[in-house]
Amino acid sequence: GENVEQHPSTLSVQEGDSAVIKCTYSDSASNYFPWYKQELGKRPQLIIDIRSNVGEKKDQRIAVTLNKTAKHFSLHITETQPEDSAVYFCAASLGATNKLIFGTGTLLAVQP
Amino acid sequence: EAEVAQSPRYKITEKSQAVAFWCDPISGHATLYWYRQILGQGPELLVQFQDESVVDDSQLPKDRFSAERLKGVDSTLKIQPAELGDSAMYLCASSPYNTEAFFGQGTRLTVV
Repeated sequence: GENVEQHPSTLSVQEGDSAVIKCTYSDSASNYFPWYKQELGKRPQLIIDIRSNVGEKKDQRIAVTLNKTAKHFSLHITETQPEDSAVYFCAASLGATNKLIFGTGTLLAVQP
Repeated sequence: EAEVAQSPRYKITEKSQAVAFWCDPISGHATLYWYRQILGQGPELLVQFQDESVVDDSQLPKDRFSAERLKGVDSTLKIQPAELGDSAMYLCASSPYNTEAFFGQGTRLTVV
């Protein structure tokens, strides 16, 4: 079926360390892969996205990599800070309608 | 900055009653999504509109849920009758097409 799998479900790192979250998708035709950050009680907000014609994209401390052959993509956060603590969701556009399907989320805790 | 508007923010209803949520997307966004998010989980797509047409409602429980976007602008999601298991956050999002989805604040539904 059409789904997006995300791992790990929880991740605890020390401030200053790096964090990596991984997702896999099922539809080889998917061409858009956003990452959202959701703080407690707030709406999901886009932090970075990538399209299938690009292998990597970076924005300051955040980067996303895409492996189309393996159908997986990853979020990398370097030099983590306590304010990075939140739930992170990957998503992929799937199917003929490019519907946006979300992963199950990763709770990131950055310990000061 | 333009935002997706949703109302009400909170709704408490008794089981077997009808409930409706409203969403006004960002002006010019052709794609509108309704998602359900249970605490601790990722947003689950219920229905996707392209302009006034439903393009995906494969996960919408059609025996009790309905959605419409009559003029291709604002949208209403209805549940009748509500069940205890419907308690969740209902998020509306809009997008130009196959690109970043912008989320509203959501409606938190509690069914008692």
